Amino acid sequence: DAGVIQSPRHEVTEMGQEVTLRCKPISGHDYLFWYRQTMMRGLELLIYFNNNVPIDDSGMPEDRFSAKMPNASFSTLKIQPSEPRDSAVYFCASSLSAGSYEQYFGPGTRLTVT
Amino acid sequence: AQSVTQLDSQVPVFEEAPVELRCNYSSSVSVYLFWYVQYPNQGLQLLLKYLSGSTLVESINGFEAEFNKSQTSFHLRKPSVHISDTAEYFCAVVPGGYQKVTFGTGTKLQVIP
Repeated sequence: DAGVIQSPRHEVTEMGQEVTLRCKPISGHDYLFWYRQTMMRGLELLIYFNNNVPIDDSGMPEDRFSAKMPNASFSTLKIQPSEPRDSAVYFCASSLSAGSYEQYFGPGTRLTVT
Repeated sequence: AQSVTQLDSQVPVFEEAPVELRCNYSSSVSVYLFWYVQYPNQGLQLLLKYLSGSTLVESINGFEAEFNKSQTSFHLRKPSVHISDTAEYFCAVVPGGYQKVTFGTGTKLQVIP
């Protein structure tokens, strides 16, 4: 298996622009997680899905952030409009099923908002 | 709610010396415990986990961790470190029956030649 795939790996955008991050989980995994990592706040869970349904989005910072999972093999995290404080590395992770707990992380997308 | 404390943000250690990375957790329910490792410019990878059974768990590359319920700790140890162990290590907890992971703030292990 290719593992969790994220694109793009790097994104540089200007404040106010829309940013879309993409994730393809490992095939057969029921859970998908979006995290944000910064020096100041560490690793934060933004939202997670089970069988394409959002279960907990309490970590989503504000209405500018939205996430979707239209099918089992694809998810997006959108920021509109983007702000400099959104600069971070965004990780997507997936896990097999309830009770498996181990999460497999993608390589991350480094977002820079100028 | 759960919380994880990694008191040491950075730990420098000479090559071939032993190391211990500390992790303490707080939870009102039973939890499962994990250590993840993050190499530069990569995502996190599972290093080892405690779900049940023996309180001492080991990884394939020589790390071990011991679950201590009375002290609510899950410290990570290695008797002899290598340059290739230089990375950031994250302790994590999951409440039983849930999928939401709480990560610690991470400890950067720097192995000095």
